[in-house]
Amino acid sequence: QVQLQESGPGLVKPSETLSLTCTVSGDSIRGDYWTWIRQPPGKGLEWIGYIHYSVTTNYNPSLKSRVTISADASKNQFSLRLSSVTTADTAVYYCARVKRSGGFDIWGQGTMVTVSS
Amino acid sequence: DIVMTQSPDSLAVSLGERATINCKSSQSVLYSSNNKNYLAWYQQKPGQPPKLLIYWASTRESGVPDRFSGSGSGTDFTLTISSLQTEDVALYYCQQYYSTPYTFGQGTKLEIK
Repeated sequence: QVQLQESGPGLVKPSETLSLTCTVSGDSIRGDYWTWIRQPPGKGLEWIGYIHYSVTTNYNPSLKSRVTISADASKNQFSLRLSSVTTADTAVYYCARVKRSGGFDIWGQGTMVTVSS
Repeated sequence: DIVMTQSPDSLAVSLGERATINCKSSQSVLYSSNNKNYLAWYQQKPGQPPKLLIYWASTRESGVPDRFSGSGSGTDFTLTISSLQTEDVALYYCQQYYSTPYTFGQGTKLEIK
């Protein structure tokens, strides 16, 4: 059974960098695409970007200048870094697996990140 | 970016009745080389992550009850719940994965009448 678990600070100060990690169990990150999505409180879903281990990354242009997604196969984890955060980056951040036939089929439970001084 | 627009924003349906949610994309998400629509539907309950219900516009994800069905092609899509159950109360989102940035509809809130 594939499971994903997000981890990282729940509070980040404005202008600092948000860093989150997604730990994958039950599947190797080498074989699939993995993605980050966020959801501001009471709002809809925004795709942040994806990574295919050692092959490619693809980011939402709305965040591209501030986003880095990386992967560590030795730990079976992938990570999100979002720099220069503002209060607009306050959201629940989800990691998910990109299903080979499309869509995001396995999601983490999500982690709430608040940007506040 | 492909803009996804859902209608209605909210919907109240009686138990056992049919619920229909529409999704329109600003450009076609039909890939001509394989004749597949790159469109997914998700269900999200409070405090939970979204759950994939439908991909390729009409293929049910494993374990999803057959009262859920997806239809449509090109730019116009529909999610139908044939007989509403209490556990179907949720937010529903469509998503295109035809091109990046992947984009979602704004969501439709489904309630019991």
